[in-house]
Amino acid sequence: GAGVSQSPRYKVAKRGQDVALRCDPISGHVSLFWYQQALGQGPEFLTYFQNEAQLDKSGLPSDRFFAERPEGSVSTLKIQRTQQEDSAVYLCASSPYTGPENTEAFFGQGTRLTVV
Amino acid sequence: GESVGLHLPTLSVQEGDNSIINCAYSNSASDYFIWYKQESGKGPQFIIDIRSNMDKRQGQRVTVLLNKTVKHLSLQIAATQPGDSAVYFCAEKSGGFKTIFGAGTRLFVKA
Repeated sequence: GAGVSQSPRYKVAKRGQDVALRCDPISGHVSLFWYQQALGQGPEFLTYFQNEAQLDKSGLPSDRFFAERPEGSVSTLKIQRTQQEDSAVYLCASSPYTGPENTEAFFGQGTRLTVV
Repeated sequence: GESVGLHLPTLSVQEGDNSIINCAYSNSASDYFIWYKQESGKGPQFIIDIRSNMDKRQGQRVTVLLNKTVKHLSLQIAATQPGDSAVYFCAEKSGGFKTIFGAGTRLFVKA
């Protein structure tokens, strides 16, 4: 398929473990977003990449969260020393456009992280 | 501050009827308002957007209305089908990179 692919689909981590979540955006998409979605809530913005440049990381909750997109395609969201409040679905989205008029993003199915 | 919220958490409609999902917003500086649909176990799917200088925009079976006077946004779905059952999010953008989502309304379509 040509959609946004995220892996793993499900991840269970013990509190204190580090995790890495992967996002394969649609080929050629310049913009890449990460969102966090708690149960029963809307997605909350974490960070934005334009190609390999991380232009906005204002939504990352703490310095335990780190994202990268070194070659401007695949992105990884890393969470260090996971805590129970990190349990959520992590969504990745990509878009071929940039700029404020860029409203349509294509989302992956997400990675459900459960910290026990 | 910025916030996008919804009036009703759950909406139940009969198949074939029209659905109206409402949303209130507080940020007058929003440039765009967006509706997303999220089915169980899937990521959100873009439905339609409207620029802040417009009052109405129509898509395929959907219409979005924007009332800036009362800061209200609605999504109308014509001839609602079982496949329309999902959670619907209103969202807004105000010039930056992020999209701010509301909490969502769950739409149930009864056969």
